[in-house]
Amino acid sequence: AQSVTQLDSQVPVFEEAPVELRCNYSSSVSVYLFWYVQYPNQGLQLLLKYLSGSTLVKGINGFEAEFNKSQTSFHLRKPSVHISDTAEYFCAVSDVGNQGGKLIFGQGTELSVKP
Amino acid sequence: DGGITQSPKYLFRKEGQNVTLSCEQNLNHDAMYWYRQDPGQGLRLIYYSQIVNDFQKGDIAEGYSVSREKKESFPLTVTSAQKNPTAFYLCASSGDRDGIPYEQYFGPGTRLTVT
Repeated sequence: AQSVTQLDSQVPVFEEAPVELRCNYSSSVSVYLFWYVQYPNQGLQLLLKYLSGSTLVKGINGFEAEFNKSQTSFHLRKPSVHISDTAEYFCAVSDVGNQGGKLIFGQGTELSVKP
Repeated sequence: DGGITQSPKYLFRKEGQNVTLSCEQNLNHDAMYWYRQDPGQGLRLIYYSQIVNDFQKGDIAEGYSVSREKKESFPLTVTSAQKNPTAFYLCASSGDRDGIPYEQYFGPGTRLTVT
């Protein structure tokens, strides 16, 4: 993978509203795709991953993402957010067959859920 | 419990001093990684190691050094040559099954402040 772009640096949303965090990547080969969440001053936790198979991937905490190969996108969605979803979210990509399993990360999207 | 530990959580050093950040994992993973995180820049790869006694430079290796003498341990030294060492440092590890990588698991991070 050559780059990952998260299209929104900040996304404010009201509690119980739906949310979509956008991620696009560029690569000349097939990829594996990941979404991670980071709470303040903590490490990253995996939300979900796409390795192969169904393009709709379900993860933890009610999140899901859809891999769209033609649009080189992997947008993250949740139908109804909670205050506790406030965090930073990172999209990451790894080339299939990439030695070392290196990931390329997007710059992150800060999700802020307001009551 | 299996996981990755990083110590200390917060570290303060005077400019010109070398400092070593600890990373230990008990997940039996072959690969380990060091990332640097700065606000608005996502995660940038410093060094990674696919196997004991072997490691490769990442995108921003200048001013850093690592060793991989044991499978469980991958310490990072921030040298005095690193021009802007104040940052949040994250360690990660990953394994694979039949060549397909697991996701990377992250430690809780070390926040280094150099004055």
